[in-house]
Amino acid sequence: DAGVIQSPRHEVTEMGQEVTLRCKPISGHNSLFWYRQTMMRGLELLIYFNNNVPIDDSGMPEDRFSAKMPNASFSTLKIQPSEPRDSAVYFCASSLLVEQFFGPGTRLTVL
Amino acid sequence: AQSVTQLDSQVPVFEEAPVELRCNYSSSVSVYLFWYVQYPNQGLQLLLKYLSGSTLVKGINGFEAEFNKSQTSFHLRKPSVHISDTAEYFCAVSGQGGSEKLVFGKGTKLTVNP
Repeated sequence: DAGVIQSPRHEVTEMGQEVTLRCKPISGHNSLFWYRQTMMRGLELLIYFNNNVPIDDSGMPEDRFSAKMPNASFSTLKIQPSEPRDSAVYFCASSLLVEQFFGPGTRLTVL
Repeated sequence: AQSVTQLDSQVPVFEEAPVELRCNYSSSVSVYLFWYVQYPNQGLQLLLKYLSGSTLVKGINGFEAEFNKSQTSFHLRKPSVHISDTAEYFCAVSGQGGSEKLVFGKGTKLTVNP
């Protein structure tokens, strides 16, 4: 299996632009998680899905952030409009039981 | 709700020395416990996990951890480290039978010097 796939690996954008991060979970996994990692705040859970349904989005910072999972093999995290404080590494992870498998992350820089 | 405290933000050691990275947790329910490793510019990789059974858990790369319920700890150990073990290590907890959410500690940066 290829593992969790994220794209793009790096994204540089300007403040105010829309950013879309993409994730393909491991085939057969039924839960998907979006995390954000920064030096100041560490690793934070933004939202997670189970069987394509959002279960807990309490970590989503504000309305500028939205996430979708239209099918079992694809999810997006969108930021609109982006701000410099959104600069971070965004990880996607998937799981079938308890163990979560992480993707390589997307490094987002908002200028 | 669960929380995790990693007591040391940075741990420098010499190659071939033993190392212990400390992790304490709090929870009102029984827990699952995990250690993940993150190498530079990579995602997190599972080192080991405690789900039930033996309190001494062995993982990859020669690491092991011991679950101590009375002290609410899950310290990570390796008897002899290598340069290649230089990475950031995260302890994580989730509650049994409930949400699948993992709560992570702030991480411990292990630096192995020659």
